Amino acid sequence: GDSVTQMEGPVTLSEEAFLTINCTYTATGYPSLFWYVQYPGEGLQLLLKATKADDKGSNKGFEATYRKETTSFHLEKGSVQVSDSAVYFCALTRLSGTYKYIFGTGTRLKVLA
Amino acid sequence: NAGVTQTPKFQVLKTGQSMTLQCAQDMNHEYMSWYRQDPGMGLRLIHYSVGAGITDQGEVPNGYNVSRSTTEDFPLRLLSAAPSQTSVYFCASRPSQGGGEKLFFGSGTQLSVL
Repeated sequence: GDSVTQMEGPVTLSEEAFLTINCTYTATGYPSLFWYVQYPGEGLQLLLKATKADDKGSNKGFEATYRKETTSFHLEKGSVQVSDSAVYFCALTRLSGTYKYIFGTGTRLKVLA
Repeated sequence: NAGVTQTPKFQVLKTGQSMTLQCAQDMNHEYMSWYRQDPGMGLRLIHYSVGAGITDQGEVPNGYNVSRSTTEDFPLRLLSAAPSQTSVYFCASRPSQGGGEKLFFGSGTQLSVL
């Protein structure tokens, strides 16, 4: 079945450092791919998405590119801020059928001032 | 806009007690779902519904019941709580058609079973 694998955390960075959080997936066909972010004490919220191969999703300085050849959707940001400290989830779903989402285990990011 | 509202935010139960976690959305979304979040395991789907009167099991349905009598509400029932059900529970919804594939999440219910 479909699955998502994320790098384990926690990831600790200094402010203004470069961020990469790896995400790979296993799925047949062409799922849609997502990054969700969870700030402390809150529910998840959509950060960015990509719906087809080579699409780049971007939001708030974060980017991720849908790579069909490597089945990857790595999250990047050029300069992190303390306010980016959160848990980041990679996820996939299909546009038809049961609408199920498959989430990765989440990666905790801590940014130090 | 209220979005997805979950109650209660915190709950402590004793083993064997029953309770219902409430979830309501005001966006007229057809699809609603329940997840549990556990350390190191991410989010796991418990049950979901694609419309009023229609429910189905997710990845970890045992010990939980759901019903969907209205579009707005999707309660999750624990009939006999067990310590293994200690977790953070999230309700999420999305439109079945249109509106993209974005899931809207509630703020969660932290449940402890002693």
